[in-house]
Amino acid sequence: SQTIHQWPATLVQPVGSPLSLECTVEGTSNPNLYWYRQAAGRGLQLLFYSVGIGQISSEVPQNLSASRPQDRQFILSSKKLLLSDSGFYLCAWSQQGNQPQHFGDGTRLSIL
Amino acid sequence: RKEVEQDPGPFNVPEGATVAFNCTYSNSASQSFFWYRQDCRKEPKLLMSVYSSGNEDGRFTAQLNRASQYISLLIRDSKLSDSATYLCVVRNAGKSTFGDGTTLTVKP
Repeated sequence: SQTIHQWPATLVQPVGSPLSLECTVEGTSNPNLYWYRQAAGRGLQLLFYSVGIGQISSEVPQNLSASRPQDRQFILSSKKLLLSDSGFYLCAWSQQGNQPQHFGDGTRLSIL
Repeated sequence: RKEVEQDPGPFNVPEGATVAFNCTYSNSASQSFFWYRQDCRKEPKLLMSVYSSGNEDGRFTAQLNRASQYISLLIRDSKLSDSATYLCVVRNAGKSTFGDGTTLTVKP
């Protein structure tokens, strides 16, 4: 069966520091991969999605970036975090097409 | 107007009640539809897919009306454990649009 791992679960970072969140999927090949952010009490905002290695689409202009160095690995990065980057970050995968998405446990990021 | 709209609630119901949530979407080309459940400070989890013919999974029934562009979720015999936020999701061309969710609290 397929599993998705996302880490760390919680992160506290100072303003201006870099960020790297990692997500890996097991048990499937060539998945679609996604990064979302959810502010407190709000809906999910799609940040990036990828349909294959090295293929990244950005949905919202911001100081974040994403990379997919391997088929089942998706990384969310920032060179300098802003206070507004605080939130709940969720990685998700799906089969190609319009199959449902499955989420990792999420990373709760607090910027001080 | 949002692409996917849900009544945010909250819906406060007693145990055993039947409760229904509706969701409307604006993109008539949308191809697949889902309901997710999200517990407080947790990730969304797939509850069920929604098919044109309607589908049922135990106490949960989902319906899709393509002509009116809405989907619904009916929960019968509510349990305390059903308390959560329910997210409507519309998918097209490999991308999902999430509603902001409807919060349900089931009380003893």
